[in-house]
Amino acid sequence: DAGITQSPRHKVTETGTPVTLRCHQTENHRYMYWYRQDPGHGLRLIHYSYGVKDTDKGEVSDGYSVSRSKTEDFLLTLESATSSQTSVYFCAISEKGNTGELFFGEGSRLTVL
Amino acid sequence: AQKITQTQPGMFVQEKEAVTLDCTYDTSDQSYGLFWYKQPSSGEMIFLIYQGSYDEQNATEGRYSLNFQKARKSANLVISASQLGDSAMYFCAMREATYNQGGKLIFGQGTELSVKP
Repeated sequence: DAGITQSPRHKVTETGTPVTLRCHQTENHRYMYWYRQDPGHGLRLIHYSYGVKDTDKGEVSDGYSVSRSKTEDFLLTLESATSSQTSVYFCAISEKGNTGELFFGEGSRLTVL
Repeated sequence: AQKITQTQPGMFVQEKEAVTLDCTYDTSDQSYGLFWYKQPSSGEMIFLIYQGSYDEQNATEGRYSLNFQKARKSANLVISASQLGDSAMYFCAMREATYNQGGKLIFGQGTELSVKP
């Protein structure tokens, strides 16, 4: 199994509070991704990174920011959480940028009250 | 723009029978990859099979095979000899070869497969 750890795995927070989810990998893969999964939508890309300090937006990036200061960590921040951001968040990694599968973490369930 | 369509929200299959899960895609790129992932009720995403756009042979991995029809832009997953443990959500996904920027994986909405004993 790919070494991907997401933390926290479960979090309940209130509207308006900041939240940071962490993805940590031990594979030294260059590419990292944050997805969210909601019923009826499958997985949708929030942000991704193609190297340290190199990030770009996905299809549902509004309300989210990311940072990658070292290869192994990719942080997803909700500046001011809203109820619409209640979801399951998956981190994924990939060794190559144009071929090969993505390996996924176990997911982080976030509930915003 | 990339798009993945899975038209079967849910399917049932009898144990030991084969089942085909449909997937069509849309892309203007010549180089891309097609993937299937399985998500059991426990929630993890499990990679099943990969097909490259230039691969002439259909991909196979054990009981899984990918029926790749490039001209029709379809990438159906075939599961042979279904088992109870195959009951799960299945996602088709596509990755375009965007050099050096980490080809993003775009997912379909998924098909929930239920295997009946």
